[in-house]
Amino acid sequence: GENVEQHPSTLSVQEGDSAVIKCTYSDSASNYFPWYKQELGKRPQLIIDIRSNVGEKKDQRIAVTLNKTAKHFSLHITETQPEDSAVYFCAASKDTDKLIFGTGTRLQVFP
Amino acid sequence: SQTIHQWPATLVQPVGSPLSLECTVEGTSNPNLYWYRQAAGRGLQLLFYSVGIGQISSEVPQNLSASRPQDRQFILSSKKLLLSDSGFYLCAWSPGGGNQPQHFGDGTRLSIL
Repeated sequence: GENVEQHPSTLSVQEGDSAVIKCTYSDSASNYFPWYKQELGKRPQLIIDIRSNVGEKKDQRIAVTLNKTAKHFSLHITETQPEDSAVYFCAASKDTDKLIFGTGTRLQVFP
Repeated sequence: SQTIHQWPATLVQPVGSPLSLECTVEGTSNPNLYWYRQAAGRGLQLLFYSVGIGQISSEVPQNLSASRPQDRQFILSSKKLLLSDSGFYLCAWSPGGGNQPQHFGDGTRLSIL
């Protein structure tokens, strides 16, 4: 079955710097890739998603890129702010009702 | 707009006691429904999902069970809780049809004593 690996597990950046989180997936048929942000003690919230017919998608300071050949996709956060501090989860799906989640990245943005 | 309600927010139960967590969705019909468990500082483990009334798929062997008595109601149950059942339980919904984002409820923090 599908397997999603996420790196790094923790990431510390200075406020204003960029942060990049990368996920790789095993099943080349996967075609939907959402990203979730989970603040401490709260529910995961969808922040951006991308489908396999698109190589990049951007929403203000957040962007996701997809490389289908290499089977990886990445979350890019520019001009990081302290409120970006959270755990970020990637996920993958292939025409099914289930999402396969990565193990999460704890992002800390220091002022 | 669609909303998902999950309760209670926190629960403390003794080992061996029963459990019932409820989740309801408003503003949509025939949603897919999901139960996840998250241990402290860990990832999301899918426990059950349902694509329709009475249709339950179990992802991991455990002493928990799920039921979907109504279209927008999803219940997680146990007859006898174990210490290892402690965790943060999240209900989620998505539109049917596959490859859709899931939207999570606020979760129930379950502590077993």
